Amino acid sequence: DGGITQSPKYLFRKEGQNVTLSCEQNLNHDAMYWYRQDPGQGLRLIYYSQIVNDFQKGDIAEGYSVSREKKESFPLTVTSAQKNPTAFYLCASSTYDRSGYTFGSGTRLTVV
Amino acid sequence: AQKITQTQPGMFVQEKEAVTLDCTYDTSDQSYGLFWYKQPSSGEMIFLIYQGSYDEQNATEGRYSLNFQKARKSANLVISASQLGDSAMYFCAMEGDSWGKFQFGAGTQVVVTP
Repeated sequence: DGGITQSPKYLFRKEGQNVTLSCEQNLNHDAMYWYRQDPGQGLRLIYYSQIVNDFQKGDIAEGYSVSREKKESFPLTVTSAQKNPTAFYLCASSTYDRSGYTFGSGTRLTVV
Repeated sequence: AQKITQTQPGMFVQEKEAVTLDCTYDTSDQSYGLFWYKQPSSGEMIFLIYQGSYDEQNATEGRYSLNFQKARKSANLVISASQLGDSAMYFCAMEGDSWGKFQFGAGTQVVVTP
């Protein structure tokens, strides 16, 4: 079955360490997105990519970096510059015309 | 700038009753789409229903319907015949002309009681 896989489901890191969250899709979707969700709040867009080797900043890109070397993969790195990284991170993908918008099951990152 | 407002942080509803979740939006875009998602405690986002700004009829998907009032900039979700499995967080979201930019509301927590 086609879908989006985010791994791991739970991630713990020490403060000051970079950490990379994985997002893989086998839906043949052109576009991929990363969102952050804090408790009791909606999702906020971090980065998105319409095509391989190209990506754009969303509303809260500071302290994050991404790459899009393959159509299927859009990893997110949470750098030590992100002041408050503990959150729930959701990856999504869609076709180029934004139909079939699909979310992964998320990664809960806790920085201690 | 786009903005989505959900004024109901939480609500209780009895099983088999209907419930309306409020959503208002603000945008200067001529063309936009409105979405509702359900997020159970497990965290995944489940797409429920979509309404395009030029759609003249209100969208319906099974027990879900969207009460779209363009002049009032509201897009309320109606869940008919609530079930215990409907207990979840519900988010209203909008995508405007700016490609890929989904704006989400803060969400409404729904608890369905027997």
